[in-house]
Amino acid sequence: DAGVTQSPTHLIKTRGQQVTLRCSPISGHKSVSWYQQVLGQGPQFIFQYYEKEERGRGNFPDRFSARQFPNYSSELNVNALLLGDSALYLCASSWQWSTDTQYFGPGTRLTVL
Amino acid sequence: AQSVTQLDSQVPVFEEAPVELRCNYSSSVSVYLFWYVQYPNQGLQLLLKYLSGSTLVKGINGFEAEFNKSQTSFHLRKPSVHISDTAEYFCAVILPNTGNQFYFGTGTSLTVIP
Repeated sequence: DAGVTQSPTHLIKTRGQQVTLRCSPISGHKSVSWYQQVLGQGPQFIFQYYEKEERGRGNFPDRFSARQFPNYSSELNVNALLLGDSALYLCASSWQWSTDTQYFGPGTRLTVL
Repeated sequence: AQSVTQLDSQVPVFEEAPVELRCNYSSSVSVYLFWYVQYPNQGLQLLLKYLSGSTLVKGINGFEAEFNKSQTSFHLRKPSVHISDTAEYFCAVILPNTGNQFYFGTGTSLTVIP
């Protein structure tokens, strides 16, 4: 079975631009969560979506937004990019809203110049 | 609020030697505890988890961890490391039945020296 997939693998943007990252969960999984991992740090929770509704939000500014589609795939959007947004963005999927098992994708490496 | 502290940012160890990676957490309620491994340019892979029951948990690749409630610790151990264990290791917690918001530590970089 295919695992969690993310696209693109790498992305380079300049300050002030907007970016969209994509995630496809494991087949049958209805929950998608997004994490930001800055170099040298642990992942920080950004959002959780379950059944197309936002079910959790971390301490991130409104420049960060996300949505989940009927097929349970998800997009993370970041507007007005800052240098500090450079990070590895991880997507994780699970069957349910609250579970002890999440499966992480390989991540999208975003570099903001 | 929940927090996770990984006291050692870098741990060098010789091949076939034992290793312990330390993790302490802070929470006013019960939590689930996890250890994840991250190889270069890859996502996170679950090593093991503690939900309840026996405090000694065994995971993949010969790793194990022990939950100590009184010390709020969940240290990861392996009796004999291999070169392939070189990676970044993250301890994490979640609150049961409150969604999938994981709280991660800052990570420990394990380097196995031949």
